[in-house]
Amino acid sequence: AQKITQTQPGMFVQEKEAVTLDCTYDTSDPSYGLFWYKQPSSGEMIFLIYQGSYDQQNATEGRYSLNFQKARKSANLVISASQLGDSAMYFCAMRENQGAQKLVFGQGTRLTINP
Amino acid sequence: DTAVSQTPKYLVTQMGNDKSIKCEQNLGHDTMYWYKQDSKKFLKIMFSYNNKELIINETVPNRFSPKSPDKAHLNLHINSLELGDSAVYFCASSRADRGTDTQYFGPGTRLTVL
Repeated sequence: AQKITQTQPGMFVQEKEAVTLDCTYDTSDPSYGLFWYKQPSSGEMIFLIYQGSYDQQNATEGRYSLNFQKARKSANLVISASQLGDSAMYFCAMRENQGAQKLVFGQGTRLTINP
Repeated sequence: DTAVSQTPKYLVTQMGNDKSIKCEQNLGHDTMYWYKQDSKKFLKIMFSYNNKELIINETVPNRFSPKSPDKAHLNLHINSLELGDSAVYFCASSRADRGTDTQYFGPGTRLTVL
């Protein structure tokens, strides 16, 4: 069964530093998608970045990049030059292309950026 | 120009009442979803519809009934509300029903059952 694990309940980072949010996953499906979402205190779920299991290169979207290590089954989110507005909950999620085809979320990591 | 919208944003009601949450997407997507986020922020899928057809129905009490009148709308009706139903409910949509399709979420509806 597919599973997503985020081992960092909370992280504190100084403004302008880079931060890495960890995510490991487990699946037997060779084809799957990995997603990161941001949930600020206002509550909405904002899509950040996507990585397909067959993508050869790590995904990047502005200050966000995904460090995809397929053999280790990890999909860490890297935020460069952190800003105060980056303070939020961050969720890693995975969806298999076969099997149950559900988007399954990790427990989330609460990121706090200090000025 | 909101992509996925939900109404109402907040819903406070008494135990035993029946309530509905509406969702609309203007992205032209074929697939829509309902998720529940509990007090510990854990998100879990409840239902998904593809072209108005029910695809996923998780182990949700049958007091919860989704209805999709057309591809752009997916409503959630809840009968006989219980205290444990208090949560944030998110609607989402994706272009198709594939693992590679990004799901875009609505703003959420915070349901409080007293």
